[in-house]
Amino acid sequence: RKEVEQDPGPFNVPEGATVAFNCTYSNSASQSFFWYRQDCRKEPKLLMSVYSSGNEDGRFTAQLNRASQYISLLIRDSKLSDSATYLCVVNDPSGNTGKLIFGQGTTLQVKP
Amino acid sequence: DAGVIQSPRHEVTEMGQEVTLRCKPISGHDYLFWYRQTMMRGLELLIYFNNNVPIDDSGMPEDRFSAKMPNASFSTLKIQPSEPRDSAVYFCASSYTRLASDTQYFGPGTRLTVL
Repeated sequence: RKEVEQDPGPFNVPEGATVAFNCTYSNSASQSFFWYRQDCRKEPKLLMSVYSSGNEDGRFTAQLNRASQYISLLIRDSKLSDSATYLCVVNDPSGNTGKLIFGQGTTLQVKP
Repeated sequence: DAGVIQSPRHEVTEMGQEVTLRCKPISGHDYLFWYRQTMMRGLELLIYFNNNVPIDDSGMPEDRFSAKMPNASFSTLKIQPSEPRDSAVYFCASSYTRLASDTQYFGPGTRLTVL
């Protein structure tokens, strides 16, 4: 089983649509969770951290379910510029290091 | 402020040749990470340094790969000899602390093609 699993997609949605991505992680001891965004042929960049109580940043909402080891990202009113790959990221809890484990990513294509 | 700088941005070489990838982390960041990204395996951590000291190299695929950090502003990842299966994008990232909650900032990557 992969440590972080995501549906690779692609998700093809029209502008203005709401789209949700899900991610599961295998190690229940992980404590930090993130969504990174990666544009085509570019480097990953932090989109947002994910907190236990859920958090929102504009059109983006992230939620965490520790019991199910499940993380989600909701994008409302999607824009053409949201087209990218979204990487689910959790910390490696072994050894108390700063290591991060990246999912394979979910590709989003927003169409006009 | 300058972000993480990597060079070269693209490298095409022939099997058996030595390849050296370079990275300059963000000033003041104590942690430096080398990743490799392929379509098949996604983003994998190869090795990371803290205050110029290698902490965990368990992700380095084999002895052909080596990494050094001679000072706080420079690191290299060397592949010798290179093989076609080493073709990938290699990213360097840095962060301020070891806390998992601290953001890692990625460089633009080096796209390596081994023929």
